[in-house]
Amino acid sequence: GNSVTQMEGPVTLSEEAFLTINCTYTATGYPSLFWYVQYPGEGLQLLLKATKADDKGSNKGFEATYRKETTSFHLEKGSVQVSDSAVYFCALTLTGANNLFFGTGTRLTVIP
Amino acid sequence: ETGVTQSPTHLIKTRGQQVTLRCSSQSGHNTVSWYQQALGQGPQFIFQYYREEENGRGNFPPRFSGLQFPNYSSELNVNALELDDSALYLCASREQGVSYGYTFGSGTRLTVV
Repeated sequence: GNSVTQMEGPVTLSEEAFLTINCTYTATGYPSLFWYVQYPGEGLQLLLKATKADDKGSNKGFEATYRKETTSFHLEKGSVQVSDSAVYFCALTLTGANNLFFGTGTRLTVIP
Repeated sequence: ETGVTQSPTHLIKTRGQQVTLRCSSQSGHNTVSWYQQALGQGPQFIFQYYREEENGRGNFPPRFSGLQFPNYSSELNVNALELDDSALYLCASREQGVSYGYTFGSGTRLTVV
């Protein structure tokens, strides 16, 4: 089947620390991969995406590389800020599919 | 109109009752999906509507139903509410064919007591 497994949280980091949130997937076809972010009281926002192997998605200092050989799409940021505190979801969709498959989410808290 | 608006933001219902949640999609987005997000979990796909017809459904029973209207609004209806239906319900809209162009609303928090 299709599924996404995320690193369990919560994750607490000091400001300017390096962030990695692990994500691996299983898919019956060739997926596109996404990271969504959910700030308190808000809906999901697309953070970045990658649609084929070896693509690197990037946005707001966050990066993730589509690794087909390890079926992974780990999220990284070199220096986190307090404003990055949120819940991060890894997700996939298949070409022609109607829906996204989400991981369980990882809560990140950045302390000053 | 930009963005996706959902109403109400919070709702409390009693087991066995019926509920209707509403979503106003972004203008031009002819596809709307509904997701259920239980506490501490990722969103789970309920169903999708395109041009007022259901064209995809997740693993949810028939008591979860929907409607989509020509004015880019839609509804999620849940009959015979159960305690496990307590969750955040998210509406997401996009243009058909743009698989990554989802815009999500802030959700409706449903509590079933």
